Amino acid sequence: SYVLTQPPSVSVAPGQTARITCGGNNIGSKSVHWYQQKPGQAPVLVVYDDSDRPSGIPERFSGSNSGNTATLTISRVEAGDEADYYCQVWDSSSDHPGVFGGGTKLTVL
Amino acid sequence: QVQLVESGGGLVKPGGSLRLSCAASGFTFSDYYMSWIRQAPGKGLEWVSYISSSGSTIYYADSVKGRFTISRDNAKNSLYLQMNSLRAEDTAVYYCARDCSSTSCLSDWGQGTLVTVSS
Repeated sequence: SYVLTQPPSVSVAPGQTARITCGGNNIGSKSVHWYQQKPGQAPVLVVYDDSDRPSGIPERFSGSNSGNTATLTISRVEAGDEADYYCQVWDSSSDHPGVFGGGTKLTVL
Repeated sequence: QVQLVESGGGLVKPGGSLRLSCAASGFTFSDYYMSWIRQAPGKGLEWVSYISSSGSTIYYADSVKGRFTISRDNAKNSLYLQMNSLRAEDTAVYYCARDCSSTSCLSDWGQGTLVTVSS
């Protein structure tokens, strides 16, 4: 089955840019979605189809996807961005196609 | 607005059964694919099962195949997960989630219901 690899943790100072990667075999050929999860809360979709944002998500959140790596970029990081972030794809060639990455804990220093 | 409310979680002994429900409102339930996602304590997200809008297409994670059954009742705007032969490793918060419709993301999630499998 398809595997998505994320770094366990990323740290960034307030006001700086955070980049969270999601690695997968030829992931650039798939649509990648990103979720933010704060402690005790359900996940929230922050980027879909590589780089689109749902309504209500700040423009500070952006995404890209090419080759074997997709990236979630959070600009001008705020304390409220501290959360776990998960990437997700749909592997239509699999009999269990929904796949999440292992998650990345974003710490705002 | 979209609302997804899970219920049915609780404490169950290994080998036991539980049925989770998800009540949907604020959208045309029968138009959307739905999923169950779980999260073990301190762990990441795991896609448990998925059902198409009509119920004709269903997927399961290998970890639950043969033990869990997903179903839906479009007349009642409800999604279900029948969980049998429960194991300690099934302990998790279970979320129901709505598909994005035009793509393969999950646009809306419930608040989750905790299932604890322990003797």
